[in-house]
Amino acid sequence: GQSLEQPSEVTAVEGAIVQINCTYQTSGFYGLSWYQQHDGGAPTFLSYNALDGLEETGRFSSFLSRSDSYGYLLLQELQMKDSASYFCAVMNSGYSTLTFGKGTMLLVSP
Amino acid sequence: NAGVTQTPKFQVLKTGQSMTLQCAQDMNHNSMYWYRQDPGMGLRLIYYSASEGTTDKGEVPNGYNVSRLNKREFSLRLESAAPSQTSVYFCASSRIYEQYFGPGTRLTVT
Repeated sequence: GQSLEQPSEVTAVEGAIVQINCTYQTSGFYGLSWYQQHDGGAPTFLSYNALDGLEETGRFSSFLSRSDSYGYLLLQELQMKDSASYFCAVMNSGYSTLTFGKGTMLLVSP
Repeated sequence: NAGVTQTPKFQVLKTGQSMTLQCAQDMNHNSMYWYRQDPGMGLRLIYYSASEGTTDKGEVPNGYNVSRLNKREFSLRLESAAPSQTSVYFCASSRIYEQYFGPGTRLTVT
């Protein structure tokens, strides 16, 4: 089976940098994804790491270490609109399905 | 392009009633998914369809059935609704590792 651990809540102020960690235990791993979900909305794709290292997309970066079964999402220059839930998800063998963590609620204050 | 659409947006059922949640995508994706989201539980996979004509169980399939009507449409049926099926239901489709989600159906079973 699959299991993922991420913090339930993180708080930060506008303009700051925040890191959301995710550790996983899985059989059959293709990669680690991150999704953002605003309250009442649908999840939207942020990033995908199949190989070790850092992927950067604008203010957001995602990191993966396959040997440590660990990844993180880094959000820079935080804005109020970044207040949302962030989910890590493991891509299972064959790109068939995702297993999601329980999510981290990020609260950005002025 | 509308992306992934779901109907209805809201539904209230009495215990024992049946209903079908509809989902359609216009992105020509092969894979489609049904998830449920409960507070503090993240997204849990109910059923998925890797291609037209195939369906497979996910993590929480009990009490549900699905039909992949054609490449565009994937429906979820509750034959005899129970209060434990009160949840937000999301449909998604995917191209390789990125999943695209519909707006969700908020279902309450009383």
